[in-house]
Amino acid sequence: NAGVTQTPKFRILKIGQSMTLQCTQDMNHNYMYWYRQDPGMGLKLIYYSVGAGITDKGEVPNGYNVSRSTTEDFPLRLELAAPSQTSVYFCASTDNPSIQPQHFGDGTRLSIL
Amino acid sequence: GENVEQHPSTLSVQEGDSAVIKCTYSDSASNYFPWYKQELGKRPQLIIDIRSNVGEKKDQRIAVTLNKTAKHFSLHITETQPEDSAVYFCAASSYNTDKLIFGTGTRLQVFP
Repeated sequence: NAGVTQTPKFRILKIGQSMTLQCTQDMNHNYMYWYRQDPGMGLKLIYYSVGAGITDKGEVPNGYNVSRSTTEDFPLRLELAAPSQTSVYFCASTDNPSIQPQHFGDGTRLSIL
Repeated sequence: GENVEQHPSTLSVQEGDSAVIKCTYSDSASNYFPWYKQELGKRPQLIIDIRSNVGEKKDQRIAVTLNKTAKHFSLHITETQPEDSAVYFCAASSYNTDKLIFGTGTRLQVFP
């Protein structure tokens, strides 16, 4: 099993550009999450999903959108990139958040200039 | 809402010494408490977890203790080694939530 796979690993965007961060998992987990981690800081939840077709906002959703059309994929979209969105983005998944750990992808390092 | 406080924010120890990181949670319904280790430039990785029906769990040099009455849990690392240097995050979740609530992290430095 590959676990949680994120692409791309690195990306530089110009202000105002848009892009989609890809996340896919092969563990058949219903629960998926997007976090951002600014340098030297903790994890902030952007959006999460409890199953295909269902998404919900986390603590920092502004400037982002998500969709969950399949169990495996949970892409994160930035519509109008801003310098404040420069961060490392982690995707995670779990079978049951109440009793099982979240498995993280390797992250996408995004710089907006 | 649920809140998890983590202390200390930084911790420096000599190789071979023990390290203890403490977390306090606010939701009495919390029942699952994982600990993650994040090395520089890497993803968070689970190192140990504990459920509310257990008071202590051990895995080689790492142990976690849980005090449900006081609503706090701690990570204990014995015989620390330089490769233990990393940021450690505690987290908590409960049956009535779909999310993990993370602590703010502890940067552990182990000096040879």
